[in-house]
Amino acid sequence: EAQVTQNPRYLITVTGKKLTVTCSQNMNHEYMSWYRQDPGLGLRQIYYSMNVEVTDKGDVPEGYKVSRKEKRNFPLILESPSPNQTSLYFCASSSEQNTEAFFGQGTRLTVV
Amino acid sequence: QKEVEQNSGPLSVPEGAIASLNCTYSDRGSQSFFWYRQYSGKSPELIMFIYSNGDKEDGRFTAQLNKASQYVSLLIRDSQPSDSATYLCAVTVNAGGTSYGKLTFGQGTILTVHP
Repeated sequence: EAQVTQNPRYLITVTGKKLTVTCSQNMNHEYMSWYRQDPGLGLRQIYYSMNVEVTDKGDVPEGYKVSRKEKRNFPLILESPSPNQTSLYFCASSSEQNTEAFFGQGTRLTVV
Repeated sequence: QKEVEQNSGPLSVPEGAIASLNCTYSDRGSQSFFWYRQYSGKSPELIMFIYSNGDKEDGRFTAQLNKASQYVSLLIRDSQPSDSATYLCAVTVNAGGTSYGKLTFGQGTILTVHP
């Protein structure tokens, strides 16, 4: 089954404790992105990747890091999480520019 | 001005009616337009995409694009309670050449279909 898998689905952590949210896709897609979704603000892009070792900032990259060492994986790293990073996070992948993005199930992160 | 704007609603329609969802975008270079549906607590799923001016129909859904007016809409005919969800408009703009077509979302419109 074609899918984008995120882990964990839910995470509660404390301020300053480094965490990683994993994302993996099995569709051989080149493009992958991370979004955060907050009430009233919609989906905002954090980082995206056009291919292995090629990443770039989205609209709200501060406080986040990503890496793309393999085509299928695109982890999101929060080196020192803060409460304002409490949000619902989605990973997405697509095969080409301007085509449908497939989303993972989401990760609800709470930073206390 | 936001790049992609939607009326956040909520939009309430009776079962069987036509629901009309609207979206405007600011960048005239926008090339691809998508409508996603998102149920509460779930991930967005694609309903329709449209690239050219005019109408595109798929079952009960019709997407309409007017690039001159920078306007894209989604019509849902014979609305059902199961259509109650948040509808997200998304637009891609190519920076040129082989640049990534960045997908920008509106804030979403909440639709409620009541029996």
